[in-house]
Amino acid sequence: GQQLNQSPQSMFIQEGEDVSMNCTSSSIFNTWLWYKQDPGEGPVLLIALYKAGELTSNGRLTAQFGITRKDSFLNISASIPSDVGIYFCAGRGNYGQNFVFGPGTRLSVLP
Amino acid sequence: ETGVTQTPRHLVMGMTNKKSLKCEQHLGHNAMYWYKQSAKKPLELMFVYNFKEQTENNSVPSRFSPECPNSSHLFLHLHTLQPEDSALYLCASSQLRGGSDEQFFGPGTRLTVL
Repeated sequence: GQQLNQSPQSMFIQEGEDVSMNCTSSSIFNTWLWYKQDPGEGPVLLIALYKAGELTSNGRLTAQFGITRKDSFLNISASIPSDVGIYFCAGRGNYGQNFVFGPGTRLSVLP
Repeated sequence: ETGVTQTPRHLVMGMTNKKSLKCEQHLGHNAMYWYKQSAKKPLELMFVYNFKEQTENNSVPSRFSPECPNSSHLFLHLHTLQPEDSALYLCASSQLRGGSDEQFFGPGTRLTVL
């Protein structure tokens, strides 16, 4: 079945630093979603991407839909302590197909 | 506020108990989902309901039984569970056919099977 890989698995950064993470697939996807999950809570949708090459921002977060349609990237600028959590990517092929989720990138921010 | 609520938030049950998880979405969506989230594993899709009809059952054991009485409510009935079923169970909803199909999640039910 389809699988997504996320890199890195975990990262420790200093407050104020920028963060980059990515998600790759062996299959072509037509939609990418990025979620953040806090401990004990459900994932919260951050950004949705629908077109290859699309670059979308949500505050300090910016996500890109890779032009090969097999990857996506999430950047966080000027990290703050509340950015701590697990970031998941999800992708799907055609509209209406189920989303496949990545294993997540665990982000820790050191003060 | 995500618009998707789940109860209970925590549940401890023995292997012989019967319990139910409840999910309610206030977003006017027409599709609802159950996912299982275990430590260090990607989210596993369990069931999909589209316009109250079950459209997917991802080889889930029969000790898990879903019910969708209307497009706003989804239940997961549990019986004779095993300790390996302990996990975070997440409900999600989305708008299919004419809307963006992003999925919105509830806060989850943390299930522990003793």
